[in-house]
Amino acid sequence: SQQGEEDPQALSIQEGENATMNCSYKTSINNLQWYRQNSGRGLVHLILIRSNEREKHSGRLRVTLDTSKKSSSLLITASRAADTASYFCATNAGNMLTFGGGTRLMVKP
Amino acid sequence: DAGVIQSPRHEVTEMGQEVTLRCKPISGHDYLFWYRQTMMRGLELLIYFNNNVPIDDSGMPEDRFSAKMPNASFSTLKIQPSEPRDSAVYFCASSRTGWGTEAFFGQGTRLTVV
Repeated sequence: SQQGEEDPQALSIQEGENATMNCSYKTSINNLQWYRQNSGRGLVHLILIRSNEREKHSGRLRVTLDTSKKSSSLLITASRAADTASYFCATNAGNMLTFGGGTRLMVKP
Repeated sequence: DAGVIQSPRHEVTEMGQEVTLRCKPISGHDYLFWYRQTMMRGLELLIYFNNNVPIDDSGMPEDRFSAKMPNASFSTLKIQPSEPRDSAVYFCASSRTGWGTEAFFGQGTRLTVV
């Protein structure tokens, strides 16, 4: 079973727009991580947010974490065609890192 | 560092044959993970090692699957005998200190069992 569930499953936007992806999970976590996967490639780590953090930034990425709602969001600002990929949240609970089903993002030039 | 290196990138084999997937983690990383990715089930953790010792293999689907890590720079995932439902992309990942740090993934091995 998947701990994290991303929403939406697919997202299509125009270049320059912002993209927001959400992740909900079920149990208490130590940290939550976001990864990107380009088609046919491995996953690339984007950002890690710990359970005692509420917000984190990295370049055009902004991640929020609400442990009371057991949810996180990933915001990509000023999207580019190169941001087209699948984005996964992964929750660390105990000795496991469990991935959600991912959001497929398409950024149209 | 060249990152996590997996081989082969693609493998096509006949049902019943033995398949061995290989992984070289990043030097200095103490944790190594094997994941499987399919459209139906997403990313599943199969097994992970800490300092070359298997810690949790509860994700290994059947006895047909086995994994070893004879030293800090090499791991194998073996399927014997292979079945069509084993077709998937298999990823190896490593991390420095486990779940609290980022995992670095290899490019994956796309396995097709016909």
